[in-house]
Amino acid sequence: EAQVTQNPRYLITVTGKKLTVTCSQNMNHEYMSWYRQDPGLGLRQIYYSMNVEVTDKGDVPEGYKVSRKEKRNFPLILESPSPNQTSLYFCASSLSGTGGSEQYFGPGTRLTVT
Amino acid sequence: KQEVTQIPAALSVPEGENLVLNCSFTDSAIYNLQWFRQDPGKGLTSLLLIQSSQREQTSGRLNASLDKSSGRSTLYIAASQPGDSATYLCAVIRVNAGNMLTFGGGTRLMVKP
Repeated sequence: EAQVTQNPRYLITVTGKKLTVTCSQNMNHEYMSWYRQDPGLGLRQIYYSMNVEVTDKGDVPEGYKVSRKEKRNFPLILESPSPNQTSLYFCASSLSGTGGSEQYFGPGTRLTVT
Repeated sequence: KQEVTQIPAALSVPEGENLVLNCSFTDSAIYNLQWFRQDPGKGLTSLLLIQSSQREQTSGRLNASLDKSSGRSTLYIAASQPGDSATYLCAVIRVNAGNMLTFGGGTRLMVKP
């Protein structure tokens, strides 16, 4: 089944403790991205990757890192999480990063930072 | 900067009604517009994708239209069912903005039996 998977689905952590949220897609998509969803602010893009080893900032990149060493994986790294990073995070992928390809989303990771 | 607005923010209808959800955007230079469905606490499910050169797309009981010149899209749901209850989000991809989706705030739909 074609899908985008994320792990973990739920995570509670403390301020400053480094964490990684994994994202994997099995559709051989070139483009992957991360969004966060917050009440009243909607969905905003954090980082994106056009292809392996090519990443760039979205609208709200502060406090996050990403890497794209393999085509199928695009982990989101919070090196020193803070409470304002408490949010619902979504990974997405599409066949191409140009021309407006249809995008597919993972199930989400709910992160709480205390 | 692209702004995407969805009206109404919430809608409650009895089962069986036909209904229309609205989406407007400020910058008509877009590649496409995508409609999603989100169930509470869950991910986004893609419903329909309309390319900028198209005027509408249909999937089952859903029909989405796009009018770039007026900056509007509508999602029509025929014969609504309780299982249609969810939040519906529209998102656009602007030309020269990579593949970044700019989302509206969503319409929360409740279909009562």
